[in-house]
Amino acid sequence: KAGVTQTPRYLIKTRGQQVTLSCSPISGHRSVSWYQQTPGQGLQFLFEYFSETQRNKGNFPGRFSGRQFSNSRSEMNVSTLELGDSALYLCASSVGQGASPNSGANVLTFGAGSRLTVL
Amino acid sequence: SQQGEEDPQALSIQEGENATMNCSYKTSINNLQWYRQNSGRGLVHLILIRSNEREKHSGRLRVTLDTSKKSSSLLITASRAADTASYFCATPQGSARQLTFGSGTQLTVLP
Repeated sequence: KAGVTQTPRYLIKTRGQQVTLSCSPISGHRSVSWYQQTPGQGLQFLFEYFSETQRNKGNFPGRFSGRQFSNSRSEMNVSTLELGDSALYLCASSVGQGASPNSGANVLTFGAGSRLTVL
Repeated sequence: SQQGEEDPQALSIQEGENATMNCSYKTSINNLQWYRQNSGRGLVHLILIRSNEREKHSGRLRVTLDTSKKSSSLLITASRAADTASYFCATPQGSARQLTFGSGTQLTVLP
């Protein structure tokens, strides 16, 4: 069974540009979450999508956006890039249908990440 | 913002030794999870412990949870070089799939 696939794995952009990252979840997983990882702030939640709807959003500016398609694939976009946006962006998928917060259906499977460098 | 802190920040041990890392969190939780991250890669889920559980085992992993102290510990027994990685605790905040991660412990196991 294929894991979570993120593309591209590495990319370099300059300030002011925009970037789109893609995530293909595990087959059958309908929830996709995005996280940003930096040395200074650690792992921070960006947003979660389930059934093409944004369900939760972290404390990030509006320059960070995302969407989910009918096949559960997700993209996130960062506009007007700043130096501080340099980070490892991680996507995670889960079945997302567990009724209990402790259900295994909510356990996250992460992709290998997209490493963004902003110059 | 991060839910809690992990300690130590870095730990270096010899192969065969046990490694213990600790996590503290701030708010009430339904469960606490531990993840491993190899250098610059994605995270791998290791174990989930529910708030009504005190201890849980999975292979060489032993996790404890003390909700009165808002703390958890992860013990890796008989460490191997392949255990070298960063270890993070995480707790759901709001949505079960919105995790708040600790700051992580970098474990180095020397052969």
